[in-house]
Amino acid sequence: QKEVEQNSGPLSVPEGAIASLNCTYSDRGSQSFFWYRQYSGKSPELIMSIYSNGDKEDGRFTAQLNKASQYVSLLIRDSQPSDSATYLCAVEQAGRRALTFGSGTRLQVQP
Amino acid sequence: DAGVIQSPRHEVTEMGQEVTLRCKPISGHNSLFWYRQTMMRGLELLIYFNNNVPIDDSGMPEDRFSAKMPNASFSTLKIQPSEPRDSAVYFCASSLAWTGGVEAFFGQGTRLTVV
Repeated sequence: QKEVEQNSGPLSVPEGAIASLNCTYSDRGSQSFFWYRQYSGKSPELIMSIYSNGDKEDGRFTAQLNKASQYVSLLIRDSQPSDSATYLCAVEQAGRRALTFGSGTRLQVQP
Repeated sequence: DAGVIQSPRHEVTEMGQEVTLRCKPISGHNSLFWYRQTMMRGLELLIYFNNNVPIDDSGMPEDRFSAKMPNASFSTLKIQPSEPRDSAVYFCASSLAWTGGVEAFFGQGTRLTVV
């Protein structure tokens, strides 16, 4: 079992729709969770962090965390073509002050 | 404010040659990470430092790989000898470690091709 799992996609949504990206993790002791966006040929860019159960909103982005289910998600409202990228879920596992990344979900927003 | 700076951006080398990748972290950050990204394996942590001290190098694939951080503003990742399977994008990232989470910021990466 991979430590951080994501559906590779591509996830295709029409412009203006809500995109929902999901991630599960195996280490129950994990405390910190992050979403990175990576455009083709570029480096990962931090877009959201979440540390406690529930929702955290930042503009069009909402991160959701459910530690009991070991599940993290990212919602992108009013999706734009410029949101087309690969979204990487990252987890800080217990006892390790470094991030473990999932393989990423490729999002395509159709104009 | 300058971000994480990596050099070179691109490196093409012949099998068997030594390769050195360089990284300057964000000023004030005390943790530094080296990652490798390939299509097959995704983004893998190779090694990380805290306050210039290597903490976890379990991701370093072989003894051919070594990393140093002689001071808070500079780190190197060396591959000697290089092999074609080392071809990948190598990222350096830094963060300010606190009691909360590790928010890591990435450099632009070095695309390494070993022929």
